[in-house]
Amino acid sequence: DVKVTQSSRYLVKRTGEKVFLECVQDMDHENMFWYRQDPGLGLRLIYFSYDVKMKEKGDIPEGYSVSREKKERFSLILESASTNQTSMYLCASSIRPDGSNYGYTFGSGTRLTVV
Amino acid sequence: DQQVKQNSPSLSVQEGRISILNCDYTNSMFDYFLWYKKYPAEGPTFLISISSIKDKNEDGRFTVFLNKSAKHLSLHIVPSQPGDSAVYFCAASASLIGVRGGADGLTFGKGTHLIIQP
Repeated sequence: DVKVTQSSRYLVKRTGEKVFLECVQDMDHENMFWYRQDPGLGLRLIYFSYDVKMKEKGDIPEGYSVSREKKERFSLILESASTNQTSMYLCASSIRPDGSNYGYTFGSGTRLTVV
Repeated sequence: DQQVKQNSPSLSVQEGRISILNCDYTNSMFDYFLWYKKYPAEGPTFLISISSIKDKNEDGRFTVFLNKSAKHLSLHIVPSQPGDSAVYFCAASASLIGVRGGADGLTFGKGTHLIIQP
């Protein structure tokens, strides 16, 4: 059974802290993505990567950075957490960036609260 | 500017009836469309997809219809079951060049909360 694993289900961090959200996939997918989900706003793309050490900005990259040192791991970094980054963060991977061939596989999500 | 729109935040349907979820898009470069289902505290799960070369794709109780001229797609669930209660997201992508000019991510709608009434 293919899997995308996000290291934490729930996180509480203080304003100004540096936060790392980790995501690992075991499907040998080239493409990995970070989304955030907020009520009334749906899923919004933060960053994506189509190869090791490659990264591309999505629709809302401000305040975030990413790291892809290995194919299976894609990390999202909040350089200085702020309360408006309180959200559900979802990692995904795919065979193809356009979602064909079974779409994206998502992790279970990390609910981040910044206080 | 929202490129994928789901105009109904919620929809209530009786068990056994047909559920119809609608989605509109504005970007004519989109050529691949997907539906995802999401339960609370879980990640979205892939449900069904359709390429722009087709106008219908069916998988069991789920059928997706695509009307390219209207830039509209819909998901039909027949018959609706209690386990179908979830948030449904419509998503789109541009396989050839990507809406951002390269390898791309999916663009999602805001979702429709489907509630199946017993």
